[in-house]
Formats: sequence, structure tokens, C-alpha cells
Amino acid sequence: GAVVSQHPSWVICKSGTSVKIECRSLDFQATTMFWYRQFPKQSLMLMATSNEGSKATYEQGVEKDKFLINHASLTLSTLTVTSAHPEDSSFYICSARDVYEQFFGPGTRLTVL
Amino acid sequence: AQTVTQSQPEMSVQEAETVTLSCTYDTSESDYYLFWYKQPPSRQMILVIRQEAYKQQNATENRFSVNFQKAAKSFSLKISDSQLGDAAMYFCAYRRYTGTASKLTFGTGTRLQVTL
Repeated sequence: GAVVSQHPSWVICKSGTSVKIECRSLDFQATTMFWYRQFPKQSLMLMATSNEGSKATYEQGVEKDKFLINHASLTLSTLTVTSAHPEDSSFYICSARDVYEQFFGPGTRLTVL
Repeated sequence: AQTVTQSQPEMSVQEAETVTLSCTYDTSESDYYLFWYKQPPSRQMILVIRQEAYKQQNATENRFSVNFQKAAKSFSLKISDSQLGDAAMYFCAYRRYTGTASKLTFGTGTRLQVTL
């Protein structure tokens, strides 16, 4: 199947700093990319949906000014957590869809001290 | 809004035995996809099986098969000849048929343990 990469796989940062997570579709062009958040022992919660070259659509309750999403090309999307706080600590998963299938990245563990 | 319900938080099966994970969903759509995803301890989401709602035949992938009951809005996953590597969280998911931006709606998951 197609491969979606995420970088970094884990990051530790201080409270108040910003963190950028990259998501790349390695061998296909993604029409749409998705960002999820997953708390321990819970399901995936969709944060936002983005299409290349257009603004992301955020789910209700997700702060768009805190979680900045940029979908610069058909193979790259970034999630920036701005002014991170300990409550933003979580596992973030990106997903990319081609015409038929949706593929998931390996996730990024963010810890905010 | 569509909802997906997995009523079994945890299940256990002995190696080489068969286990069935339950999933029900609610939708007013007639065309949609249903999925089972596996999330092992590595947390990499892996597609196990997919079912198109318009297909009457149940999907099968090697040891994994589904029982799709459209009228009952039920979509269970059967794992035959269970292996230690099948131990994982399993998520049932729904997606509308149309629209490239249509979203996956996940259930709460079932944690499967495989014992010797």
C-alpha cells in the first residue's frame, strides 16, 4: 500500500513554544489530508481536513489559531501547534487520501513540559 | 450525523481460535463504505478490510471476514485462526460514498488480546 510519513515521530517542547509536524505522502498525490488527535486508550478524533492550496476545514471545538494547518502541495501538509501547553500533549496522526483509499502516518507523540 | 458503536471494549481469544468483533452504525445514507482498522502497539493504523454498502457479498481478506447486515446496520469482523500478531486495538469506521473530503467516523475501538 501507499506510504505516509510523519516527522518528527516524537517531540518534547517547553510550554509556550511552537511545534511543527510534517506529513508527506511518499508515493502518491493526496487529494485530501486529515489530522487526528488520539488520547491514550481512546479513538481517533478528527481535528481538520485540508485540500491542497485551500484553507483547512476545522472540526467543531478545534482552535484554528492554535492548530495551524498548511497544505502546500499534493504531497505535504503541516500541523503547527502554536504556543503549546501541557494540555496539548497528545498523539497526532495524519492521514492522506488518494482517489480510493485513505492511508495513515505513523503518528507523532507531542509532550509539552 | 453518522455514528459508529463498538460495544465491546475488550475481547480475548486463544491462539488458533476464532473471534468476532461487533460494530453497529447509524446513517441515513444509502451508499457508503465501512472499514475495520487495526492499531497495534506501534500505533500505526492499518486497514484490515473494506466493504462497500452496495455490495451484497461480504468482504474477505485471508483470515479476516465481515458479516455485513445493511438493514440491521451491523458490520462485524471475524478473525479466524487467531495469531499473536492480531493483538491490537480494532476500530470500525464509516465513510460516506461521495465526496473526496468525506470523513471517516470511528467507533471507540475494541482491544483484542490473543492468549496462548
